Amino acid sequence: EPEVTQTPSHQVTQMGQEVILRCVPISNHLYFYWYRQILGQKVEFLVSFYNNEISEKSEIFDDQFSVERPDGSNFTLKIRSTKLEDSAMYFCAHYEAFFGQGTRLTVV
Amino acid sequence: GENVEQHPSTLSVQEGDSAVIKCTYSDSASNYFPWYKQELGKRPQLIIDIRSNVGEKKDQRIAVTLNKTAKHFSLHITETQPEDSAVYFCAASIMRGSNDYKLSFGAGTTVTVRA
Repeated sequence: EPEVTQTPSHQVTQMGQEVILRCVPISNHLYFYWYRQILGQKVEFLVSFYNNEISEKSEIFDDQFSVERPDGSNFTLKIRSTKLEDSAMYFCAHYEAFFGQGTRLTVV
Repeated sequence: GENVEQHPSTLSVQEGDSAVIKCTYSDSASNYFPWYKQELGKRPQLIIDIRSNVGEKKDQRIAVTLNKTAKHFSLHITETQPEDSAVYFCAASIMRGSNDYKLSFGAGTTVTVRA
């Protein structure tokens, strides 16, 4: 079964630092999503990516966030200046069923 | 945007009994409703889904029903087993094109199956 893989599995960063989360998508799948899940809360949509462009973003996805496809295949989610409230699990996903295993971001 | 409400937030059932989780959605354009099981520290796992042209769908011990008029859908787990203990999330999506599954999630239900 195809897999979406994310790295790192866990990242600890100092408040104010930049972090980059990485995702290796399933090839030939056009739609791609980033979601966030604060501990004990629901999964929240951040941004969708279609055909190498952002197609939709939520109000959470402010100017501190950016998403790129630097090498044309893998995706990155960058948070420019992390805040304590950015601590969460970040999932990338294709469609409805293919979620990555997540990156747990802890901002201290 | 779409708002999905989920109840109850916690559910404790005796092994062998049934569990029912209910969700409502706000946007009548939503046409796809998946359910996820999430174990602690793991990714959401799709367990069943239903599209708006269907009222009910069943897969072994789990079933989902959809009432488009009332804008609510439910998950039913029969003959619960300890391994069914997890957090369950409902979600809704407006599928605007092929393969676009932007999901709005409910708040989750923590299900505990007592042996």
